Amino acid sequence: GAGVSQTPSNKVTEKGKYVELRCDPISGHTALYWYRQSLGQGPEFLIYFQGTGAADDSGLPNDRFFAVRPEGSVSTLKIQRTERGDSAVYLCASSGTVGAGNEQFFGPGTRLTVL
Amino acid sequence: AQSVTQPDIHITVSEGASLELRCNYSYGATPYLFWYVQSPGQGLQLLLKYFSGDTLVQGIKGFEAEFKRSQSSFNLRKPSVHWSDAAEYFCAVGSGTYKYIFGTGTRLKVLA
Repeated sequence: GAGVSQTPSNKVTEKGKYVELRCDPISGHTALYWYRQSLGQGPEFLIYFQGTGAADDSGLPNDRFFAVRPEGSVSTLKIQRTERGDSAVYLCASSGTVGAGNEQFFGPGTRLTVL
Repeated sequence: AQSVTQPDIHITVSEGASLELRCNYSYGATPYLFWYVQSPGQGLQLLLKYFSGDTLVQGIKGFEAEFKRSQSSFNLRKPSVHWSDAAEYFCAVGSGTYKYIFGTGTRLKVLA
């Protein structure tokens, strides 16, 4: 079956612009996660959704970052007034149920470059 | 605070040689531990996971890992490396109910 998909695969934008990154989780997965992977680092947790609601957004770096999942499936990560430091690969993952022991399936990521 | 340390940033091995990638974690309770592999342009793929029970865990692609509570380690091993194993490897610990905390990764290079 289809895995987690993310679009676009690459996004180049200018400092100060607004961007949206999309994640399509595995069908039927109720939990969805966003991570950010900076160059030379491991992925860092941003936000977690259970269904439509953001259960934990403690990893979002500041209020320029926002994510939604209005119908409990597709999620969009939104970044306002982008800064060069936002350049990273943004990874989305989903799992069938919540729990640290439940495997998270990762998408290929969106590489964001802010010029 | 929970953390994961992968002390080796880069490792180079010859094809056919054995491999061990180190992972140390800091976590207050019994951890859920994972190894993921990331190839260029690909998402993270789960190699294996440890929740409880047998401390030697078998995974895909011939990998195994051993959980050692006394050493807070979860090292990844493979007896004979193939050129296709060249990739970046991440160790992670499941924190709380859903967060994964990742190490900084180890990039594996395989010499023909």
